[in-house]
Amino acid sequence: DSGVTQTPKHLITATGQRVTLRCSPRSGDLSVYWYQQSLDQGLQFLIQYYNGEERAKGNILERFSAQQFPDLHSELNLSSLELGDSALYFCASSVGGNFVTYNEQFFGPGTRLTVL
Amino acid sequence: AQSVTQLGSHVSVSEGALVLLRCNYSSSVPPYLFWYVQYPNQGLQLLLKYTSAATLVKGINGFEAEFKKSETSFHLTKPSAHMSDAAEYFCAVSARTPLVFGKGTRLSVIA
Repeated sequence: DSGVTQTPKHLITATGQRVTLRCSPRSGDLSVYWYQQSLDQGLQFLIQYYNGEERAKGNILERFSAQQFPDLHSELNLSSLELGDSALYFCASSVGGNFVTYNEQFFGPGTRLTVL
Repeated sequence: AQSVTQLGSHVSVSEGALVLLRCNYSSSVPPYLFWYVQYPNQGLQLLLKYTSAATLVKGINGFEAEFKKSETSFHLTKPSAHMSDAAEYFCAVSARTPLVFGKGTRLSVIA
């Protein structure tokens, strides 16, 4: 158990809908990262928040957005869902927020999103 | 931009045999390199990391990897495979940037 929790475990929805995925980081970690794992694209970094502020952005679609709340939990919002958005979405957390020095990321179990 | 290439999407070994999973990277600056393991229906777990200290890195569960700058490689090895090693393995690079992952290698262990 990494100490990172994600809810829900599974989510099934229809095209065009909007969903929210939730992540609670390990106690004491200030950084939250979101990743998407799909058969087509593999494992890709989406976005990072550090202490409530966006710190880095990857291949995140404009239909997707995220935020980190004062209690440090984070939510990933996916809207206007398409079939291709079906994937496993991971959250990870770390103590630090920069990439210059090493900060180990601890991964949650993921949320499996199925878009029908 | 950095990238990672994992040679072989699927590797099959016999129990007790050597495990060798290959990873080559591309980076314009000295990188941090990682191997993660993913068991079915679970998140990623860090096996080992190279962060510019010793080039031979030992990790959990008997795995180790050697950073070879001249070959831009970071291959993962284990002397003797166990059935419990069957999983998906990901090599990743960070060149002072977010992690970039390889496509993964599925390791099967045959009894």
